[in-house]
Amino acid sequence: EAQVTQNPRYLITVTGKKLTVTCSQNMNHEYMSWYRQDPGLGLRQIYYSMNVEVTDKGDVPEGYKVSRKEKRNFPLILESPSPNQTSLYFCASSLGNSPLHFGNGTRLTVT
Amino acid sequence: AQTVTQSQPEMSVQEAETVTLSCTYDTSESDYYLFWYKQPPSRQMILVIRQEAYKQQNATENRFSVNFQKAAKSFSLKISDSQLGDAAMYFCVGGSEKLVFGKGMKLTVNP
Repeated sequence: EAQVTQNPRYLITVTGKKLTVTCSQNMNHEYMSWYRQDPGLGLRQIYYSMNVEVTDKGDVPEGYKVSRKEKRNFPLILESPSPNQTSLYFCASSLGNSPLHFGNGTRLTVT
Repeated sequence: AQTVTQSQPEMSVQEAETVTLSCTYDTSESDYYLFWYKQPPSRQMILVIRQEAYKQQNATENRFSVNFQKAAKSFSLKISDSQLGDAAMYFCVGGSEKLVFGKGMKLTVNP
């Protein structure tokens, strides 16, 4: 089944403790992206990647890192999480100008 | 810069009635795409409909259709014969290489 898999679905952590949210797609998509969703703000792009080893900042990249060492994986790294990074996170992928396929989301709480 | 604006944060409709969700956008790109995504309480992001900017014909998908007015930069979604399962957040999305999301609109369907 074609899908984007994000893990974990829920994560509660403390300020400053490094964490990684994984994202994997099995559709051979070149484009992958991370978004955060906050009430009243819609989805805002954090980072995106056009292909392996090619990543670029989105609209809200501060406090986040990504890597794209393989086509299928695009992990989101929070080196030192802070409470303002409490949010719902989505990974998505697409091929060319095809619609985005989304993962099921990761609810992150930073205390 | 690209922008997508959904001016109505909430709407409600009676079951079996028709409702129109409005969206305006601004872009300097000549080749771009527009989408409507639905997010039910399960928080999954589900593609509703897609429109290529170069196509004059409005896209339709069963009960869902769009009114794409390129000159006015308007992209509204019409839902006919509304069903209880249509209740969700709806996001208007536009762009080419980079997709921009509107802030979303919550649709309530009353039985």
